Amino acid sequence: DTGVSQDPRHKITKRGQNVTFRCDPISEHNRLYWYRQTLGQGPEFLTYFQNEAQLEKSRLLSDRFSAERPKGSFSTLEIQRTEQGDSAMYLCASSPQGWEQYFGPGTRLTVT
Amino acid sequence: AQKVTQAQTEISVVEKEDVTLDCVYETRDTTYYLFWYKQPPSGELVFLIRRNSFDEQNEISGRYSWNFQKSTSSFNFTITASQVVDSAVYFCALSAEVGGSNYKLTFGKGTLLTVNP
Repeated sequence: DTGVSQDPRHKITKRGQNVTFRCDPISEHNRLYWYRQTLGQGPEFLTYFQNEAQLEKSRLLSDRFSAERPKGSFSTLEIQRTEQGDSAMYLCASSPQGWEQYFGPGTRLTVT
Repeated sequence: AQKVTQAQTEISVVEKEDVTLDCVYETRDTTYYLFWYKQPPSGELVFLIRRNSFDEQNEISGRYSWNFQKSTSSFNFTITASQVVDSAVYFCALSAEVGGSNYKLTFGKGTLLTVNP
């Protein structure tokens, strides 16, 4: 399968714990996006990478959130000191160019 | 700022009925792209269609059709002869180039379509 993969698919954590999600984009896609989708809402943009450079961060990305894309390949999204409001689906999309975005299956986070 | 409004939160139809999902957008960009995505219960976003702002031709793909009207800033989606498998949440989305390479998507809140047998 050469699509976008995300790991884990589901994560349950206790409030205050740190979590890290991983996204593996389609090979040779140099652009990568993270979105967050809360229950009953559409996905909202979090951050954008071109190669290893993080070019935009949404104001939704508080100081507890950090994203990286070392060497322009896979990307990680870390949430520190999780809160119940962080419960959501975290979606990753990769893009070869322009408007095209290919979404992964998402990581569903539940903070108890 | 970009905005997408899907006024219909939920729609319920009986199989074989036609159904139209509404989408209204706001943008100051002259070049932009409009999308429809389907999200079944599994959660994965499935790309359905893209239109760019210069192409107002309506499009038909099987039972699906899309009506893009710049004059009313609308991009509506019609399913003809709906089927149970069409049951899902449908999202309308908008993107425009930011900073030379960033085409981040702005999504509406989605419309939950339930097709009953």
